[in-house]
Amino acid sequence: AQSVAQPEDQVNVAEGNPLTVKCTYSVSGNPYLFWYVQYPNRGLQFLLKYITGDNLVKGSYGFEAEFNKSQTSFHLKKPSALVSDSALYFCAVTPHYGNNRLAFGKGNQVVVIP
Amino acid sequence: GAVVSQHPSRVICKSGTSVKIECRSLDFQATTMFWYRQFPKQSLMLMATSNEGSKATYEQGVEKDKFLINHASLTLSTLTVTSAHPEDSSFYICSARDRGTSTDTQYFGPGTRLTVL
Repeated sequence: AQSVAQPEDQVNVAEGNPLTVKCTYSVSGNPYLFWYVQYPNRGLQFLLKYITGDNLVKGSYGFEAEFNKSQTSFHLKKPSALVSDSALYFCAVTPHYGNNRLAFGKGNQVVVIP
Repeated sequence: GAVVSQHPSRVICKSGTSVKIECRSLDFQATTMFWYRQFPKQSLMLMATSNEGSKATYEQGVEKDKFLINHASLTLSTLTVTSAHPEDSSFYICSARDRGTSTDTQYFGPGTRLTVL
C-alpha cells in the first residue's frame, strides 16, 4: 500500500525567505504525486502534481516541487515566502495503475513570519 | 480550473437525526468522487469511493449503513449521515476525479462542518 511521510509538524519561515516543505513517499511502481494546500475551515486546493516527464514541476502561486526517484522524495518549494502562504500543506501519492485512491501525509503547518 | 462545491458548508443537528451533504462538480464530469473525514489538526481519512451508477466502495471500518453514499449523476454525489451522534461531528470533505486530458486529478470541495448535539 502507498504511504507518505511529512516529517515536520510545522515549518516556520521569515517572509521573503525560501520555503521548503518535505515529503517522501512509498508506492509500488511509478507514482502520481500531488501537493495540496488547506486554509482554515476550507477544503484542499490543488497546487501541483507530478505524473511523468520533467522532474521539476511548477504549480500555482509560485510553488514548485522536485521529484527525486532515487530518494523517493517530492519536496515543495517556493523561492520567496509570503505571509499569505501560511496554511496547512498536504503531500499525496497514488500509484500509476489508476485506482486514484490518494494516500495523504499528515500535513505540515507552514507559518510565514512577517 | 475545476471547481467542486459542497452544500451545506456548516450544519448543526440533534442526535438521532440524519444529515445529507451534497458534492457537485461544477465544470467537469466526475465518474468517481471520494468522501473524506478530517479531524482537527489531522490528515484526511478516506471513507469511501463513490462511482456513478454503482455502489460505493467503503474503506475498512466505515459503516456503510451509517454513511450512505449515492452517486446518481456524473456531477453529483451525496453523503447521508444516518442517526447522527456526537462522535460523528467532524469536517467532511469530498473530492471529484477529473479524468480529462492530462489531468486525472482530484479536486476538493470546500468541506462541510457537521456538529451533532
